[in-house]
Amino acid sequence: EPEVTQTPSHQVTQMGQEVILRCVPISNHLYFYWYRQILGQKVEFLVSFYNNEISEKSEIFDDQFSVERPDGSNFTLKIRSTKLEDSAMYFCASSEYKGQGKETQYFGPGTRLLVL
Amino acid sequence: ELKVEQNPLFLSMQEGKNYTIYCNYSTTSDRLYWYRQDPGKSLESLFVLLSNGAVKQEGRLMASLDTKARLSTLHITAAVHDLSATYFCAVDKTGTASKLTFGTGTRLQVTL
Repeated sequence: EPEVTQTPSHQVTQMGQEVILRCVPISNHLYFYWYRQILGQKVEFLVSFYNNEISEKSEIFDDQFSVERPDGSNFTLKIRSTKLEDSAMYFCASSEYKGQGKETQYFGPGTRLLVL
Repeated sequence: ELKVEQNPLFLSMQEGKNYTIYCNYSTTSDRLYWYRQDPGKSLESLFVLLSNGAVKQEGRLMASLDTKARLSTLHITAAVHDLSATYFCAVDKTGTASKLTFGTGTRLQVTL
């Protein structure tokens, strides 16, 4: 069964460093998302991406964050200058398309980011 | 701003018992999802409820949606230990494959 994959599974970085989190969405999916979950808390939306552009972003997704689909398979989240409060599990998700019940978002295994 | 609340936040129940998790949301939506998360793991899609009165069942879990009451329930029948996990409901406000707003989660612990 197709699944969303993410790399790395864990990342430790120093405050102020740049990190890039990578995701490979399910191949026939058109909508891509990033969410984060701070330990013990609920899942929070960061950004959605469709047709090579951001379709929606949250207040969390400030100028330090960016997303990119550099090729036909990868979807990346970049944090330019990490802060301690960026420590969280970051989930990538994808969905097929709108309508006919195909909006279900399928989540990857996550990247646990620790900023020291 | 859409708010999604679940209760209870934590539920400890014995095997064989029944219980219901509630998910309330603050604005109109006709798409609601239930996900399961095991500790340190990702989110597994359980149910998608697309219309008022929708009911879905899978094994010992049954989910329903009342859009007029802005309420979804996840009913657990004859719980088994393998159901121990955190359960999240999530609402797609616009129904346009946009962002999901997640509830606070209900941590379920099924004891022997």
